[in-house]
Amino acid sequence: EIVMTQSPATLSVSPGERATLSCRASQSISSKLAWYQQKPGQAPRVLIDGASTRATGIPGRFSGSGSGTEFTLTISSLQSEDFAVYYCQQYNYWPQTFGQGTKVEIK
Amino acid sequence: EVQLVQSGAEVKKPGESVKISCKSSGYSFSNYWIGWVRQMPGKGLECMGIIYPGDSDTRYSPSFQGHITISADKSISTAYLQWSSLKASDTAMYYCARSGNFWGKFDYWGLGTLVTVSS
Repeated sequence: EIVMTQSPATLSVSPGERATLSCRASQSISSKLAWYQQKPGQAPRVLIDGASTRATGIPGRFSGSGSGTEFTLTISSLQSEDFAVYYCQQYNYWPQTFGQGTKVEIK
Repeated sequence: EVQLVQSGAEVKKPGESVKISCKSSGYSFSNYWIGWVRQMPGKGLECMGIIYPGDSDTRYSPSFQGHITISADKSISTAYLQWSSLKASDTAMYYCARSGNFWGKFDYWGLGTLVTVSS
């Protein structure tokens, strides 16, 4: 099973600042990576697919990069609605696996 | 509009059985995969298994194989997740989610079904 490791576990950021979240795969997954946002009491929402393609309706301040084993989600200027937990997911191998999540909180 | 509507919360005792559902609308149910994802209290996401309703091709994560059954009824565009003998450790929120292919992201999610197992 592919292990996805996210860092940091918690990221404290002020509104308007940039947030950079990392995700590492235990072996190469090519670009078969998605990022999700989950707010309290809500289902996850897909942000990024194929490591760098924004999903429909996702604002341009969200961007993804990386391939192989190292991936990054960047939120260029944090808005109040962006404070949430973010998960990466690999879908190159079965079973699909998620990282443990990064909580982005208000500084 | 694509919608996945999940059944309501369940409260069960250890050893009991339960079947939760996920009704899809707004797209061709047979042509997309439906996955089930577990989220234990305060924890992350785990993919349990996935089904292609078109031919009922079903795959289980090794961690859940043998403990759950995933099925689908094309006639009513509904997928199911069931347990024959619940454990306290099955207490969690369970989400269904749609995927365009087996090797793909989940693009639409249900709101989740909370299953509580307690004596």
